[in-house]
Amino acid sequence: AQTVTQSQPEMSVQEAETVTLSCTYDTSESDYYLFWYKQPPSRQMILVIRQEAYKQQNATENRFSVNFQKAAKSFSLKISDSQLGDAAMYFCAYRSGGTSYGKLTFGQGTILTVHP
Amino acid sequence: GAVVSQHPSRVICKSGTSVKIECRSLDFQATTMFWYRQFPKKSLMLMATSNEGSKATYEQGVEKDKFLINHASLTLSTLTVTSAHPEDSSFYICSAAPAEGQRNQPQHFGDGTRLSIL
Repeated sequence: AQTVTQSQPEMSVQEAETVTLSCTYDTSESDYYLFWYKQPPSRQMILVIRQEAYKQQNATENRFSVNFQKAAKSFSLKISDSQLGDAAMYFCAYRSGGTSYGKLTFGQGTILTVHP
Repeated sequence: GAVVSQHPSRVICKSGTSVKIECRSLDFQATTMFWYRQFPKKSLMLMATSNEGSKATYEQGVEKDKFLINHASLTLSTLTVTSAHPEDSSFYICSAAPAEGQRNQPQHFGDGTRLSIL
């Protein structure tokens, strides 16, 4: 079974600074997808960024980018120019590829605090 | 974009009551839906995978007689918490797999249901 590990229960950053959230995963599969979700206090699940395992290029979405190290099974999220609205719980998630639509396996989550 | 509606958003009821939570895909057909449970400041734990027209697949440790899942149409899945007790109080979230042919696209989440059993 696949596992996802987020080793940072809490992180903090100053507004306008950069912060990196860590995520590692364990799998024997070659076809899979990785995601970062943001969950603000409203508890909505908001997709931040996603990465297909077959793509070598790291995904970017505006101020959010990932460092995808497939051999090391690492998938960290970098948030640049942090804003107060970035404060939330962040989850790393894994989904298998394959012919059917698989379930998401989530990491433990990282609570991000942004200081003004 | 694709929208998933989850209803109700908040339920407070007495112990022993059965509670039904609905998850609807509003503008696409969802063959597969997922039900998660989340405790405060914890991760989402998958409870079951719901497939239209067939029995749900429950994760290990989830009581299928306690958490009844029905996926009778391509746009609606329901989770019924039967004879709910205070320990069932939690945040429940559904998600829907995108339409067929979009396997590389992410799931669409509902806004969740906060269930409080007194």
